[in-house]
Amino acid sequence: GAVVSQHPSWVICKSGTSVKIECRSLDFQATTMFWYRQFPKQSLMLMATSNEGSKATYEQGVEKDKFLINHASLTLSTLTVTSAHPEDSSFYICSARIDRGHGTEAFFGQGTRLTVV
Amino acid sequence: AQKVTQAQTEISVVEKEDVTLDCVYETRDTTYYLFWYKQPPSGELVFLIRRNSFDEQNEISGRYSWNFQKSTSSFNFTITASQVVDSAVYFCALSYTGGFKTIFGAGTRLFVKA
Repeated sequence: GAVVSQHPSWVICKSGTSVKIECRSLDFQATTMFWYRQFPKQSLMLMATSNEGSKATYEQGVEKDKFLINHASLTLSTLTVTSAHPEDSSFYICSARIDRGHGTEAFFGQGTRLTVV
Repeated sequence: AQKVTQAQTEISVVEKEDVTLDCVYETRDTTYYLFWYKQPPSGELVFLIRRNSFDEQNEISGRYSWNFQKSTSSFNFTITASQVVDSAVYFCALSYTGGFKTIFGAGTRLFVKA
């Protein structure tokens, strides 16, 4: 299957600082990527859909000014958590969409564990 | 509305027991995909299976099997002869046309005791 890589795998930052998480499709081009957030012992919640060359589409309740998404190339989407606070501590996972002849598939990165102290 | 329900929050079994994880979904789309993922303590999502809405054939892969029934909107997952390494959280997920968003169920935490 296709490979999606996230970086970093984990990060600790101070409250009030910003953190950038990268999501790369390593062996395919992804016009669409998705960002999810997972709080401890909870499910994955879709935050936004990232489209290459255009603005991201955010799910209801997700602050677009706090979670900045940039999809500047067909292989890279970034999520920046601005002015992070302890309540933003979570596991963030991206996925990349690929359209194959037999259908569309999504491949997930390994996730980034963010801890804000 | 699109929805995935995993009613079992936690399941605990003894090694070598069979266990079935339930998944019920809701969608108005006629074309959709169903998935199962395993999430071990390390956090990454491990893809287990993908099934499209037009393929109701059940599937078996080693100790894993899946039962897809459109009539009951269910996509259940059975682990035969469970092992300690099967301990993880299992998510059922639904992707539908029009963007291919993936919606996850709440997950079922499986404990397999030696």
